[in-house]
This record gives sequence, structure tokens and C-alpha cells, in this order.
Amino acid sequence: SQQGEEDPQALSIQEGENATMNCSYKTSINNLQWYRQNSGRGLVHLILIRSNEREKHSGRLRVTLDTSKKSSSLLITASRAADTASYFCATDIQGAQKLVFGQGTRLTINP
Amino acid sequence: DAGITQSPRHKVTETGTPVTLRCHQTENHRYMYWYRQDPGHGLRLIHYSYGVKDTDKGEVSDGYSVSRSKTEDFLLTLESATSSQTSVYFCAISADRATYEQYFGPGTRLTVT
Repeated sequence: SQQGEEDPQALSIQEGENATMNCSYKTSINNLQWYRQNSGRGLVHLILIRSNEREKHSGRLRVTLDTSKKSSSLLITASRAADTASYFCATDIQGAQKLVFGQGTRLTINP
Repeated sequence: DAGITQSPRHKVTETGTPVTLRCHQTENHRYMYWYRQDPGHGLRLIHYSYGVKDTDKGEVSDGYSVSRSKTEDFLLTLESATSSQTSVYFCAISADRATYEQYFGPGTRLTVT
């Protein structure tokens, strides 16, 4: 089964509202990353949070990590139509040279 | 975009034929990955490479093989394509041994008829 699982699978909000997506994982991690994928394109790295960090900001993005609950959330504030995309969390696996991606949240921003 | 290209970008092939997809990078990154993306399954790792001639299996490696004879090229081969291998294939590269932060190529859409 997937190491990382996003919730919800799909989210539709109005432009200007905030969007929150959640990610849960199963095993211990060194870091958790969020990626965005626009339709028909490759994934693009957004932000990384290390296991010893609780919160991180980048522009309109805010990521939190709760290692006790093995969960993370991505908040996009003041959403724009251009934020319409799928968002994936990815976790490393300690001792392995790879990431495991969740199934993604499809975010739609309505004008 | 990171210097990573995939070829071909689209391919239609028949069941039973061999297919090779190419990933080419100009970043001299050590790690290279092949994923497939299917509706309902997200992104799944097929094979990856941690150096020239050094490769390992991912979670969905059956029916696929890879080769990396040069740092810049990572080839994915479907020895005998099946309809279940119809998918979008992404290559990714990484240089960071601490985080494995990845840069993705544009993808190859493969249809097996």
C-alpha cells in the first residue's frame, strides 16, 4: 500500500479561499515533500519539511508536519485560478534512495 | 525546467512488441527514476538508478527493465508490451543524497493496443 495518502482526493473551492490538503504516511521519515502537477505536465517540487520541523512557509504555502500522528498538511492561502492542479506528498524511506508518492489531491479553483 | 527530456513524448504500439523509452538529463545528477502514472494509482516507481550501471527495482518493476550506461541517459524497456502497460511514464532526476528532491521530465504517453 502507499506510504503517503492524501485527503481529500478532490477539492473544489472559490478563488480567494484557502485550500487545505492532508497527507498521512506509515513509516518513519527524514523529510516530507509536496509537489504540484498541472494537467499533462511533470511534477514540480513545491516545498520540503524535515522531520525535526513542525511548520514551514513559502509564499502562499504553509506546510505543517506532525510526526507523532504521521501526518502533514499543505495550506494554500488566497487561492488563484492558476493553483488549479494536482498536489502530491512524497516521503523518503529511511535507508532507501527514493521517494514514495501519494495518490494526490486534485484541486480546482473556481473563478 | 531542469535539463531533463524524455523521448518519445507519445507512442502507440501493439501488444507483444518491445518498446524503449529514453530519459536524458544535462544536469549530471546521480539519481534517476522511472515512474508510471495511472488514474487511481498516483505515481508508482518502476526502477531507479543511483549511478552508472547501478539500478534497483521499484514497486511495479515486473515487465520492465532499465539500463544506465552513461550518467545522462536512463532507458526503460518494455520487453513485450501489454495493454496493462498503457500509461504515462515520467522520468525524474535528483542530486540530493539527503532529501532526494526530484525534478521531473515532461512525460511519455504510451498506448499499447
